[in-house]
Amino acid sequence: DTEVTQTPKHLVMGMTNKKSLKCEQHMGHRAMYWYKQKAKKPPELMFVYSYEKLSINESVPSRFSPECPNSSLLNLHLHALQPEDSALYLCASSLQGAGGPYEQYFGPGTRLTVT
Amino acid sequence: GENVEQHPSTLSVQEGDSAVIKCTYSDSASNYFPWYKQELGKGPQLIIDIRSNVGEKKDQRIAVTLNKTAKHFSLHITETQPEDSAVYFCAAYYDKVIFGPGTSLSVIP
Repeated sequence: DTEVTQTPKHLVMGMTNKKSLKCEQHMGHRAMYWYKQKAKKPPELMFVYSYEKLSINESVPSRFSPECPNSSLLNLHLHALQPEDSALYLCASSLQGAGGPYEQYFGPGTRLTVT
Repeated sequence: GENVEQHPSTLSVQEGDSAVIKCTYSDSASNYFPWYKQELGKGPQLIIDIRSNVGEKKDQRIAVTLNKTAKHFSLHITETQPEDSAVYFCAAYYDKVIFGPGTSLSVIP
């Protein structure tokens, strides 16, 4: 199983809402990532979790709050977003440790629209 | 920090022709260079990668070359097919993956 799943596929939220994006993998990967992708642009790294600990935060605004409850799950909690936060949010995972770097497997993404 | 440039931004080829996409990177410490294909409505998918101790790698119709001295790497797709139409991203890795801006490839039947 080389699949990363993300839910929901689409999300529309108002600027005062609180919502969460979910990501799951069962490949035994110990590194998990959140990326943001705007239309016709490459993915931009937001957060990296390594062995369930936050290892990289690319100066992301606090209205985005990541969580890694266990080695298979990654959440992104959203609160008080702005319209410019509308984008495709991609989750990825990879092996971690000696011998790397390793291939990142991406999920299909959640298309977020902030109204 | 690392910066990755990619050319061309768009590329149209006739089915059966070859396609070449070129990238440059700025950080000589980068040691891993993956290429991703992204189809409409999907996440990026790794199609081939190369590490800094290798000059060339092939996988069927796809090949990647790396020139560490010049900090250049290229993707070559031979015998293109309509299903190769997608956006292709090169990337460079040192402590994280930095993507190039992407190339939109159209293969005309």
